[in-house]
Amino acid sequence: SQQGEEDPQALSIQEGENATMNCSYKTSINNLQWYRQNSGRGLVHLILIRSNEREKHSGRLRVTLDTSKKSSSLLITASRAADTASYFCATDAYGNNRLAFGKGNQVVVIP
Amino acid sequence: DVKVTQSSRYLVKRTGEKVFLECVQDMDHENMFWYRQDPGLGLRLIYFSYDVKMKEKGDIPEGYSVSREKKERFSLILESASTNQTSMYLCASSLQGFMNTEAFFGQGTRLTVV
Repeated sequence: SQQGEEDPQALSIQEGENATMNCSYKTSINNLQWYRQNSGRGLVHLILIRSNEREKHSGRLRVTLDTSKKSSSLLITASRAADTASYFCATDAYGNNRLAFGKGNQVVVIP
Repeated sequence: DVKVTQSSRYLVKRTGEKVFLECVQDMDHENMFWYRQDPGLGLRLIYFSYDVKMKEKGDIPEGYSVSREKKERFSLILESASTNQTSMYLCASSLQGFMNTEAFFGQGTRLTVV
């Protein structure tokens, strides 16, 4: 079963705008991760936030985590055409290092 | 540069064939995973291995088996390929431990069963 559910499922924005996506999960976690997948390729790790952290930044990425609501958000600031991809959240909800992924969120950045 | 390598990018097999998908990682990771990805369904875990010769079923193990004889190699086996196994298959690896479980993915194998 999917532990992560991203919302919205698809997003189309103009270059330079910010993109925000949300992820909800169902059980306790040690950490939550976000990955990017360019069309037809493997996933690339973007950022990991631990359960005792509330916010984390990496370059143009900002991730928040609200464990009381079992939700996370990923913000991409000043988007670029190269940010066009699918974005997945993943949790270690199963324990034992097994990652459970959401269904993904497709972002299209229009130049 | 860390690397997870899947043996094929594209594969076409016939119904009933035995299919082997190979994955090799060069990071000395304990954990290795096989996922399949289908439109609208995201990534679903097929099998997981946390050590040599050790394996655990994931969400959708039916019709699949795995082999991990060496730490760096994790093979996915389709015993008798069927058309509903047409999919993108993704291999990943990670270190053990609960604080930093970043997964590294291969490029994927797009399998078509005809």
